[in-house]
Amino acid sequence: QKEVEQDPGPLSVPEGAIVSLNCTYSNSAFQYFMWYRQYSRKGPELLMYTYSSGNKEDGRFTAQVDKSSKYISLFIRDSQPSDSATYLCAMIQGAQKLVFGQGTRLTINP
Amino acid sequence: DAGVTQSPTHLIKTRGQQVTLRCSPISGHKSVSWYQQVLGQGPQFIFQYYEKEERGRGNFPDRFSARQFPNYSSELNVNALLLGDSALYLCASSPRMKIAGGLYEQYFGPGTRLTVT
Repeated sequence: QKEVEQDPGPLSVPEGAIVSLNCTYSNSAFQYFMWYRQYSRKGPELLMYTYSSGNKEDGRFTAQVDKSSKYISLFIRDSQPSDSATYLCAMIQGAQKLVFGQGTRLTINP
Repeated sequence: DAGVTQSPTHLIKTRGQQVTLRCSPISGHKSVSWYQQVLGQGPQFIFQYYEKEERGRGNFPDRFSARQFPNYSSELNVNALLLGDSALYLCASSPRMKIAGGLYEQYFGPGTRLTVT
């Protein structure tokens, strides 16, 4: 069993829709929870990070963490074609190592 | 400011050969980490170097090695290449050994795409 599970998709939604991306994890030792966006042929870039359970909002993006269920989510409101990318959840182990999910490939259709 | 740079961009090698990938971190960053991203998968941690010393190692065979130079740039070496080593190799730099968000954020380079035939 992988430490971090993420539905690889692909996920295709119309422009303006609300997108929900999810990951589950098995290791209770994970601390920081991150969401990265990776465009084709580029390296991942950090979108959001959170430490505790609850919600964190940044513009059109909301990250949600439920440590009791070992479940994290990323919501994208008013999705735009420029949001089309692969979204990777990641967790920090031992303060030095990122453990990534498989990534969800998202396409926003105009 | 320049971001993390990696060279070469693409590389094609034959099974059994050896390869060296290079990474230059963001100016002032002392930590460099290497990740392997196989097509359709998330990145997997290979190594972390901080202040020229290995600080972390992932579950990769001894064919993989790395080093960090006094200017904090880094090289990843892979010996006896296998078909399964074909992947995007990502380098990430951060200002401190501990990584997280905010001041502890890790910045990724564009990667080197290695194809082994």
